[in-house]
Amino acid sequence: DVKVTQSSRYLVKRTGEKVFLECVQDMDHENMFWYRQDPGLGLRLIYFSYDVKMKEKGDIPEGYSVSREKKERFSLILESASTNQTSMYLCASSLEQAAGALHFGNGTRLTVT
Amino acid sequence: AQSVTQLGSHVSVSEGALVLLRCNYSSSVPPYLFWYVQYPNQGLQLLLKYTSAATLVKGINGFEAEFKKSETSFHLTKPSAHMSDAAEYFCAVSAGGSYIPTFGRGTSLIVHP
Repeated sequence: DVKVTQSSRYLVKRTGEKVFLECVQDMDHENMFWYRQDPGLGLRLIYFSYDVKMKEKGDIPEGYSVSREKKERFSLILESASTNQTSMYLCASSLEQAAGALHFGNGTRLTVT
Repeated sequence: AQSVTQLGSHVSVSEGALVLLRCNYSSSVPPYLFWYVQYPNQGLQLLLKYTSAATLVKGINGFEAEFKKSETSFHLTKPSAHMSDAAEYFCAVSAGGSYIPTFGRGTSLIVHP
């Protein structure tokens, strides 16, 4: 089974801090994604990556950046955390030809105070 | 452009009753369609997918969905609900085989004893 591992289940940070969310997949998938999940809004795509060092903005990239230096690892960075970034963050991966069939991690619930 | 509308943010059924979760999509090209399930404190898990083969798709845990092009629908059904089916369900679409799905806002399934 594909495993997508997010480094933290729960995280509490202060406003203005730089925050790193880490995600690792073990199945050599080309594509990796970061979503945020908020009640009533479903999943919204922040960034995705289709190859090492390649990244594309999703629907809500403002306030976020990403890094993919190795194929298996995709990091989400909040340059200066704000309270409106309190959310559940979900990482996912997929094969290049998987056409939308994603494998998700268990999520990181981030609270910014 | 692609989008998904899930009708009903909450659906409540009795144990043993039929489960019907509604999803309508919009896509300018032939879509791939997906249903995902999210149990409490977990990430999303793929239930089933439609990728232009048979219009009736069977998934895990007894769920199935039927692609109806004329109605632009992909409703999820299960003949008999179990307590363990209580979860959040997300419909998603990727247009023309794009590897980036767009998710609906989710439907919370509540199962009463």
